[in-house]
Amino acid sequence: EAGVTQFPSHSVIEKGQTVTLRCDPISGHDNLYWYRRVMGKEIKFLLHFVKESKQDESGMPNNRFLAERTGGTYSTLKVQPAELEDSGVYFCASSQDRLAGVANIQYFGAGTRLSVL
Amino acid sequence: AQSVTQPDIHITVSEGASLELRCNYSYGATPYLFWYVQSPGQGLQLLLKYFSGDTLVQGIKGFEAEFKRSQSSFNLRKPSVHWSDAAEYFCAVARSQGGKLIFGQGTELSVKP
Repeated sequence: EAGVTQFPSHSVIEKGQTVTLRCDPISGHDNLYWYRRVMGKEIKFLLHFVKESKQDESGMPNNRFLAERTGGTYSTLKVQPAELEDSGVYFCASSQDRLAGVANIQYFGAGTRLSVL
Repeated sequence: AQSVTQPDIHITVSEGASLELRCNYSYGATPYLFWYVQSPGQGLQLLLKYFSGDTLVQGIKGFEAEFKRSQSSFNLRKPSVHWSDAAEYFCAVARSQGGKLIFGQGTELSVKP
C-alpha cells in the first residue's frame, strides 16, 4: 500500500513567485493535514481537511496560502506570492476516520522543502 | 494553550548504551501522546502512542515510553541504542483523536561507535 506522497520533494523559487505543493494521501483516508517546519522551529499545524471540507484552518499564516482538496482526494497548497519567511519543510499527513473503529493515527509524507530566495 | 517541550535539542550516545529522550507537555486534561521519528530523507514515522490505559507503552524498534500524569511527561526510552537509531525524534500531543498535533522542537540523536 502506498504511503502519503508529496511532490515536489524540493522547490526553489524567488520571492514573489507562486508555488504549488501537492499531497496524495493514503487511499481511503478522509483526513488530510498540512504542517510546516521553519528552520530551527517546531513543526506547526496549518490545516485539516475532512474529505473536501476544511475542518480546521486555524494554523494558516495568512491569505497568501490557499489549500484545496478537490473531490476529497489529493490536496494542493499554493503560496502566492511567496515571501522569504515561507521557506521551510511542508509536511502532509493523512488518517482514517476514527468512526471506522481504528485508532486515528496520522501518517506523514516525506515533506516538500521550499526555499524562497 | 497546549505546548510540548523537548529540552534536549541534540543528544549523543554510544552504540549499545541506553537512551532516554525527555518530553513535557502542558495541557489541562490527559492528551493523546505520540512519539515520531524522522530519518534523513524520510517522513515522520510513528514510534508509539498513548491514548489511555497502561501508562507504559511499547512501540516499534524496541522503544517504549511512560506517561506520568503527575509530571506531565512522556519520556521515550530504549535500553540499547543501535547506530540505525540516529535520527530526529519528535514528541507530540493532541486534544482528540484526529485532532491537530502539537509538536515539540525535536531532539536530534547521534550514535557514536
